[in-house]
Amino acid sequence: EVQLLESGGGLVQPGGSLRLSCAASGFTFSSYAMSWVRQAPGKGLEWVSAISGSGGTSYYADSVKGRFTISRDNSKNTLYVQMNSLRAEDTALYYCAKDYTTSCCGGFDPWGQGTLVTVSS
Amino acid sequence: EIVLTQSPATLSLSPGERATLSCRASQSVSSLLAWYQQKPGQAPRLLIYDASNRATGIPARFSGSGSGTDFTLTISGLEPEDFAVYYCQQRSNWPLTFGGGTRVEIK
Repeated sequence: EVQLLESGGGLVQPGGSLRLSCAASGFTFSSYAMSWVRQAPGKGLEWVSAISGSGGTSYYADSVKGRFTISRDNSKNTLYVQMNSLRAEDTALYYCAKDYTTSCCGGFDPWGQGTLVTVSS
Repeated sequence: EIVLTQSPATLSLSPGERATLSCRASQSVSSLLAWYQQKPGQAPRLLIYDASNRATGIPARFSGSGSGTDFTLTISGLEPEDFAVYYCQQRSNWPLTFGGGTRVEIK
């Protein structure tokens, strides 16, 4: 069974940093691109960042570019996002999600259960 | 950035009725569009990818159609568990984007 388990969320002050992790199991991790998607309380979904299976290519939403860095350790089957210079508007439930197929451009499936990040003083 | 506009924002229907949800893109995304279902307190679940392909385990009452800029998700006969929020997402261009969602509620 494919499983994704996020961790690392919490309360952080504006301007602070946090690193989220997503532990994957049940599939060949290095074969799939992975993404982070967030959802502010009571709001819709916002894609944040994606990384290729090898880790050699990454993409970011404009809202986090220059502040967030996505990475992966295929030897540990783990996805990360380093979040710096956090703002109140970064407050959200952060999901990691696996690409549905090994080739481009299908959807995301499955998703983890999410880890909550709260940016507040 | 490709903007996805979903309509209506809320759809009030009774069990057994047909639901038709729309997603319109600000520019062509070819067929690179996915649909998700999200229930309260749960992560989203992939329903449809590449505009019209059902994901594994998705019931046949869910179908997707469209290409270019106009897409439709149809639920042929609403079951009680189908009342939820539905999102479309484009995978054509970076950054990836989601629509604002359509809530399907019980009438």
